[in-house]
Amino acid sequence: GNSVTQMEGPVTLSEEAFLTINCTYTATGYPSLFWYVQYPGEGLQLLLKATKADDKGSNKGFEATYRKETTSFHLEKGSVQVSDSAVYFCALKGGGATNKLIFGTGTLLAVQP
Amino acid sequence: DAGVTQSPTHLIKTRGQQVTLRCSPKSGHDTVSWYQQALGQGPQFIFQYYEEEERQRGNFPDRFSGHQFPNYSSELNVNALLLGDSALYLCASSFSGNQPQHFGDGTRLSIL
Repeated sequence: GNSVTQMEGPVTLSEEAFLTINCTYTATGYPSLFWYVQYPGEGLQLLLKATKADDKGSNKGFEATYRKETTSFHLEKGSVQVSDSAVYFCALKGGGATNKLIFGTGTLLAVQP
Repeated sequence: DAGVTQSPTHLIKTRGQQVTLRCSPKSGHDTVSWYQQALGQGPQFIFQYYEEEERQRGNFPDRFSGHQFPNYSSELNVNALLLGDSALYLCASSFSGNQPQHFGDGTRLSIL
């Protein structure tokens, strides 16, 4: 079945450091891929998405490229801020009419000033 | 424009009780999905409602049931609560089946 694997956290970085959070997936067909962010005590917010191979999703300085050949969708940001501290979830949606999301286990990012 | 709203924010129940959680979708959205997020884990899909019907269901027992109303709002019901049902329950809404889902802030359910 479909699944998502994320790198385990926590990831601790200093402000302005480069961020990479790895995400790989297993899916049949052509899934859509997402990154969601969850701040403490809140629900999930959509950060970015990509719907087909080689698409690059980007938002708020974050970006991720849908790589079908490596079944990956790694999240990157060139210079993190303290306000980026949160849990990041990689997710996929398989094809078809329903849009059930399958999530990874999440990666906690802690950015220190 | 209000986003997805869920109530209550927190709830404490004891084993064997029943609980009802509520969700109002984002304006213009007609599809509601429910997820269970255990502590330290990613959300797990419970089921999805569209046009007042359950359209897809995840791997959850029949103790978990739901309903969608004509105004697209939804309820999640859990019967015979177990300690393992303690989690954050998230509601997400979207327009039809192919648009990104928007999440509420969730209901934190604690079972004693």
